[in-house]
Amino acid sequence: GIQVEQSPPDLILQEGANSTLRCNFSDSVNNLQWFHQNPWGQLINLFYIPSGTKQNGRLSATTVATERYSLLYISSSQTTDSGVYFCAVLSGSARQLTFGSGTQLTVLP
Amino acid sequence: DGGITQSPKYLFRKEGQNVTLSCEQNLNHDAMYWYRQDPGQGLRLIYYSQIVNDFQKGDIAEGYSVSREKKESFPLTVTSAQKNPTAFYLCASSIGVSNTGELFFGEGSRLTVL
Repeated sequence: GIQVEQSPPDLILQEGANSTLRCNFSDSVNNLQWFHQNPWGQLINLFYIPSGTKQNGRLSATTVATERYSLLYISSSQTTDSGVYFCAVLSGSARQLTFGSGTQLTVLP
Repeated sequence: DGGITQSPKYLFRKEGQNVTLSCEQNLNHDAMYWYRQDPGQGLRLIYYSQIVNDFQKGDIAEGYSVSREKKESFPLTVTSAQKNPTAFYLCASSIGVSNTGELFFGEGSRLTVL
């Protein structure tokens, strides 16, 4: 099956800093989503982005499907951005999303 | 508001007991899913259902059972056969099990076996 690798596994930032999270995948994808898991465990949809670029406030994402990666940009980070960021992809005839292992982000005040 | 409701949020169980976790959605989605998450880990698929009265095993179905009698509901039973049931369980839904189905999650149920 498809492999999904996220980097870095852990990231610690000072409030106000910018960051880039990366998701590499091993095959072509039809669906790619970014999620934020908050400290209470809830998974929040950030972007549905199988290709192209999207922006939502301080967050933006870019997927370059031909090169098999996606990037999540967080600008002017806030403490509430802390949590785990997951990338998940759907490939070919697969019926389920495959999740990466996540990036643990900690934003310090 | 439209969404996915899971209950209970926290559940304690004695070894040897079956427990059922509820998942209800009012998004009119055809597909529903159950995932398991262990501490510090990603999500693993237990079961999914594309349509009423039909469901498929995911990667870690052993020790679990599901039913899909109504479009809105997809309960998960953690049976006594599940060797390590303590985990965080997440229910999700999408318009369909298709290449373009965006996945939405409930708030999760945290099960602890004593």
